[in-house]
Amino acid sequence: EAGVVQSPRYKIIEKKQPVAFWCNPISGHNTLYWYRQNLGQGPELLIRYENEEAVDDSQLPKDRFSAERLKGVDSTLKIQPAELGDSAVYLCASSFGHSSYEQYFGPGTRLTVT
Amino acid sequence: GQQVMQIPQYQHVQEGEDFTTYCNSSTTLSNIQWYKQRPGGHPVFLIQLVKSGEVKKQKRLTFQFGEAKKNSSLHITATQTTDVGTYFCAGHTGTASKLTFGTGTRLQVTL
Repeated sequence: EAGVVQSPRYKIIEKKQPVAFWCNPISGHNTLYWYRQNLGQGPELLIRYENEEAVDDSQLPKDRFSAERLKGVDSTLKIQPAELGDSAVYLCASSFGHSSYEQYFGPGTRLTVT
Repeated sequence: GQQVMQIPQYQHVQEGEDFTTYCNSSTTLSNIQWYKQRPGGHPVFLIQLVKSGEVKKQKRLTFQFGEAKKNSSLHITATQTTDVGTYFCAGHTGTASKLTFGTGTRLQVTL
Protein backbone atom coordinates (compact mmCIF):
# COMPACT_ATOMS: atom_id res chain seq x y z
CA GLU A 1 0.00 0.00 0.00
CA ALA A 2 1.38 3.37 -1.02
CA GLY A 3 1.85 5.92 1.70
CA VAL A 4 1.10 9.63 1.67
CA VAL A 5 2.84 11.23 -1.29
CA GLN A 6 4.08 14.81 -1.27
CA SER A 7 5.87 16.93 -3.80
CA PRO A 8 8.19 18.62 -4.13
CA ARG A 9 10.48 17.30 -1.40
CA TYR A 10 12.54 20.47 -1.33
CA LYS A 11 11.87 24.00 -2.48
CA ILE A 12 14.01 27.12 -2.32
CA ILE A 13 12.41 30.42 -3.24
CA GLU A 14 13.02 34.09 -2.72
CA LYS A 15 10.75 36.05 -0.43
CA LYS A 16 7.62 37.47 -2.02
CA GLN A 17 7.49 34.58 -4.50
CA PRO A 18 4.57 32.13 -4.56
CA VAL A 19 4.95 28.43 -3.79
CA ALA A 20 2.64 25.44 -3.87
CA PHE A 21 2.79 22.02 -2.26
CA TRP A 22 0.89 18.95 -3.38
CA CYS A 23 -0.32 15.98 -1.37
CA ASN A 24 -1.89 12.65 -2.33
CA PRO A 25 -3.26 10.87 0.74
CA ILE A 26 -3.58 7.15 1.33
CA SER A 27 -6.41 5.69 -0.72
CA GLY A 28 -9.64 5.58 1.26
CA HIS A 29 -8.56 8.15 3.84
CA ASN A 30 -11.17 10.87 3.92
CA THR A 31 -9.42 13.13 6.43
CA LEU A 32 -6.42 15.12 5.28
CA TYR A 33 -4.21 17.45 7.31
CA TRP A 34 -1.57 20.04 6.54
CA TYR A 35 0.98 20.71 9.27
CA ARG A 36 3.94 23.04 9.55
CA GLN A 37 6.96 21.88 11.49
CA ASN A 38 9.65 24.33 12.50
CA LEU A 39 13.09 23.05 13.38
CA GLY A 40 13.17 21.40 16.78
CA GLN A 41 9.43 21.67 17.31
CA GLY A 42 6.38 19.49 16.95
CA PRO A 43 4.06 19.71 13.96
CA GLU A 44 1.41 22.45 14.14
CA LEU A 45 -1.90 21.98 12.36
CA LEU A 46 -2.65 24.45 9.58
CA ILE A 47 -5.82 22.95 8.15
CA ARG A 48 -7.90 19.78 8.34
CA TYR A 49 -10.23 18.46 5.65
CA GLU A 50 -13.06 16.00 5.99
CA ASN A 51 -13.55 14.98 2.35
CA GLU A 52 -13.76 18.29 0.46
CA GLU A 53 -14.72 20.40 3.48
CA ALA A 54 -12.19 22.38 5.48
CA VAL A 55 -13.43 21.69 9.03
CA ASP A 56 -10.59 23.37 10.92
CA ASP A 57 -8.56 26.17 9.35
CA SER A 58 -8.26 28.34 12.44
CA GLN A 59 -4.44 28.19 12.38
CA LEU A 60 -4.09 28.94 8.68
CA PRO A 61 -2.72 32.48 8.02
CA LYS A 62 -5.40 33.32 5.52
CA ASP A 63 -3.80 36.53 4.30
CA ARG A 64 -1.12 34.55 2.48
CA PHE A 65 -1.97 30.86 2.77
CA SER A 66 -4.67 29.02 0.88
CA ALA A 67 -5.55 25.37 0.47
CA GLU A 68 -7.91 23.27 -1.54
CA ARG A 69 -8.95 19.66 -1.76
CA LEU A 70 -10.91 19.20 -4.91
CA LYS A 71 -12.88 15.96 -5.23
CA GLY A 72 -11.89 15.03 -1.70
CA VAL A 73 -8.62 13.34 -2.66
CA ASP A 74 -5.50 15.33 -3.56
CA SER A 75 -4.78 18.62 -1.86
CA THR A 76 -2.71 21.70 -2.59
CA LEU A 77 -1.34 24.20 -0.10
CA LYS A 78 -0.24 27.56 -1.46
CA ILE A 79 1.69 30.47 0.00
CA GLN A 80 1.60 33.82 -1.76
CA PRO A 81 3.69 35.80 -1.14
CA ALA A 82 6.21 33.82 0.90
CA GLU A 83 8.03 35.43 3.82
CA LEU A 84 11.32 34.51 5.46
CA GLY A 85 9.43 33.15 8.48
CA ASP A 86 7.64 30.60 6.31
CA SER A 87 10.80 28.50 6.08
CA ALA A 88 9.81 25.15 7.60
CA VAL A 89 8.84 21.60 6.71
CA TYR A 90 5.27 21.30 5.48
CA LEU A 91 3.81 17.92 6.30
CA CYS A 92 0.69 16.35 4.88
CA ALA A 93 -1.06 13.58 6.78
CA SER A 94 -4.18 11.51 6.30
CA SER A 95 -6.38 9.30 8.43
CA PHE A 96 -9.24 6.93 7.86
CA GLY A 97 -11.68 8.86 9.99
CA HIS A 98 -11.82 11.86 12.24
CA SER A 99 -8.94 13.15 14.25
CA SER A 100 -8.97 10.37 16.85
CA TYR A 101 -7.62 7.89 14.33
CA GLU A 102 -3.90 7.44 13.83
CA GLN A 103 -2.43 9.78 11.27
CA TYR A 104 -0.11 8.75 8.48
CA PHE A 105 2.40 11.41 7.51
CA GLY A 106 4.03 12.05 4.19
CA PRO A 107 7.77 12.78 3.84
CA GLY A 108 7.15 16.53 3.89
CA THR A 109 8.32 19.46 1.79
CA ARG A 110 11.24 21.41 3.16
CA LEU A 111 10.75 25.05 2.21
CA THR A 112 13.56 27.56 2.38
CA VAL A 113 12.72 31.21 1.79
CA THR A 114 15.73 33.44 1.11
CA GLY B 1 -5.04 27.49 24.03
CA GLN B 2 -4.08 23.94 24.80
CA GLN B 3 -0.40 23.36 25.53
CA VAL B 4 1.43 20.06 25.64
CA MET B 5 4.89 20.04 27.14
CA GLN B 6 7.44 17.25 27.21
CA ILE B 7 10.48 16.71 29.36
CA PRO B 8 13.30 16.29 28.94
CA GLN B 9 13.89 18.20 25.74
CA TYR B 10 16.93 16.05 24.98
CA GLN B 11 18.48 12.92 26.43
CA HIS B 12 21.68 11.13 25.56
CA VAL B 13 22.03 7.54 26.82
CA GLN B 14 24.37 4.65 26.25
CA GLU B 15 22.97 1.61 24.55
CA GLY B 16 21.35 -0.66 27.10
CA GLU B 17 20.27 2.13 29.43
CA ASP B 18 16.61 2.92 30.02
CA PHE B 19 14.88 6.09 28.82
CA THR B 20 11.70 7.89 29.86
CA THR B 21 9.94 10.92 28.41
CA TYR B 22 7.08 12.68 30.16
CA CYS B 23 4.20 14.52 28.57
CA ASN B 24 1.98 17.06 30.35
CA SER B 25 -1.12 18.77 29.01
CA SER B 26 -2.64 22.01 30.26
CA THR B 27 -6.11 20.52 29.68
CA THR B 28 -7.76 17.13 30.13
CA LEU B 29 -7.32 14.91 27.09
CA SER B 30 -9.78 12.52 25.51
CA ASN B 31 -6.93 10.44 24.18
CA ILE B 32 -3.21 10.67 23.59
CA GLN B 33 -1.07 9.41 20.74
CA TRP B 34 2.68 8.88 20.54
CA TYR B 35 4.76 9.36 17.42
CA LYS B 36 8.43 8.78 16.61
CA GLN B 37 10.34 10.91 14.14
CA ARG B 38 13.73 9.73 12.98
CA PRO B 39 16.31 12.39 12.02
CA GLY B 40 15.32 13.77 8.63
CA GLY B 41 12.13 11.73 8.62
CA HIS B 42 8.46 12.22 9.28
CA PRO B 43 6.38 11.36 12.36
CA VAL B 44 5.34 7.71 12.56
CA PHE B 45 2.43 6.62 14.75
CA LEU B 46 3.36 4.37 17.65
CA ILE B 47 0.27 4.00 19.82
CA GLN B 48 -2.93 5.57 21.14
CA LEU B 49 -4.13 5.55 24.76
CA VAL B 50 -7.74 6.33 25.62
CA LYS B 51 -8.61 5.16 29.13
CA SER B 52 -7.60 6.78 32.41
CA GLY B 53 -4.63 4.91 33.88
CA GLU B 54 -4.15 2.81 30.74
CA VAL B 55 -0.83 1.04 30.23
CA LYS B 56 0.22 -0.48 26.92
CA LYS B 57 3.41 -2.27 25.94
CA GLN B 58 5.13 -2.73 22.62
CA LYS B 59 8.18 -4.94 23.08
CA ARG B 60 10.64 -2.67 24.96
CA LEU B 61 8.30 0.36 24.96
CA THR B 62 5.79 0.99 27.77
CA PHE B 63 3.20 3.74 27.47
CA GLN B 64 1.09 5.11 30.32
CA PHE B 65 -1.86 7.50 30.43
CA GLY B 66 -2.34 9.32 33.72
CA GLU B 67 -5.36 8.88 35.96
CA ALA B 68 -6.41 12.47 35.40
CA LYS B 69 -5.85 12.12 31.63
CA LYS B 70 -3.55 15.15 31.61
CA ASN B 71 -0.21 13.39 31.46
CA SER B 72 1.47 10.45 29.83
CA SER B 73 4.84 8.76 29.69
CA LEU B 74 6.88 6.60 27.37
CA HIS B 75 9.52 4.31 28.83
CA ILE B 76 12.04 2.42 26.74
CA THR B 77 13.86 -0.47 28.39
CA ALA B 78 17.39 -1.28 27.31
CA THR B 79 17.70 1.27 24.52
CA GLN B 80 19.18 0.38 21.17
CA THR B 81 20.70 2.60 18.49
CA THR B 82 17.54 2.05 16.44
CA ASP B 83 15.61 3.99 19.11
CA VAL B 84 17.31 7.24 18.09
CA GLY B 85 14.86 9.96 17.14
CA THR B 86 12.41 12.47 18.55
CA TYR B 87 9.40 11.19 20.43
CA PHE B 88 6.26 13.29 20.36
CA CYS B 89 3.11 12.91 22.37
CA ALA B 90 -0.02 14.39 20.83
CA GLY B 91 -3.38 14.86 22.44
CA HIS B 92 -7.01 15.39 21.56
CA THR B 93 -9.41 17.28 23.81
CA GLY B 94 -12.45 15.90 22.00
CA THR B 95 -13.33 13.36 19.34
CA ALA B 96 -13.43 15.94 16.58
CA SER B 97 -10.76 18.27 17.88
CA LYS B 98 -7.36 18.85 16.42
CA LEU B 99 -4.33 16.89 17.51
CA THR B 100 -1.95 19.07 19.52
CA PHE B 101 1.63 17.86 19.44
CA GLY B 102 3.98 18.14 22.36
CA THR B 103 7.36 19.81 22.26
CA GLY B 104 9.14 16.49 21.73
CA THR B 105 12.03 14.67 23.38
CA ARG B 106 15.08 13.97 21.27
CA LEU B 107 16.82 10.72 22.15
CA GLN B 108 20.41 10.01 21.24
CA VAL B 109 21.81 6.53 21.85
CA THR B 110 25.50 5.74 21.61
CA LEU B 111 27.41 2.48 21.86
